[in-house]
Amino acid sequence: QVQLQESGPGLVRPSETLSLTCVVSGYDMTSGHYWGWIRQSPGKGLEWIGSIYHTGTTFYNPSLESRVTISADTSENHFSLKFNSVTATDTAVYYCVTAVSGTTGDFAYWGLGTLVTVSA
Amino acid sequence: DIQMTQSPSSLSASIGDRVTISCRASRTISKYLNWYQQKPGRAPQLLIYATSSLQSGVPSRFSGSGSGADFTLTVNSLQPEDFATYYCQQSYSIPYTFGQGTRVDIK
Repeated sequence: QVQLQESGPGLVRPSETLSLTCVVSGYDMTSGHYWGWIRQSPGKGLEWIGSIYHTGTTFYNPSLESRVTISADTSENHFSLKFNSVTATDTAVYYCVTAVSGTTGDFAYWGLGTLVTVSA
Repeated sequence: DIQMTQSPSSLSASIGDRVTISCRASRTISKYLNWYQQKPGRAPQLLIYATSSLQSGVPSRFSGSGSGADFTLTVNSLQPEDFATYYCQQSYSIPYTFGQGTRVDIK
């Protein structure tokens, strides 16, 4: 059973970089699956940020792509999100997710989520 | 981007009721439609993928149907644990997008 756990600071100052890590347990990332990030805020609802395959192939939400980098460290079995130049509108609960085997966008497993607040 | 519109935004129902939630995409998405359930303070849980495939462990009272741009989630014989918010999501094209949610509460 795949388990995901997000970690990172809960408070980020405006214009700085939001960095989160998702540790994967119960599954070897190199065995497959796409790994990604979704956020949820009262104003925007659920928003897919982007995904990565274990080979390093990434794809992003075009509306966020200029500020987002997703990377994977398969030796440590985790993947990460970096989101730069944040503003208050980036305040949200951030979830790491993985898709149903063989798919890219059917999000079968979710972390518990971590609230990130952007504020001075 | 493909816009996903759910209706109704909220509904009230009783235990044992049959509940249907609709989801419309702004253009055809073939069968690439998923449904999630979310309870307060928790992450969404995948219920149905590819329009009608039940995710492992999900009770059979949940079912999905539709094609093209119009889809439906049906919950037969609503149980106490089914009171939650439901979201549709298209996985047809990037960016993957979600509906605004349908809240199901107790009548």
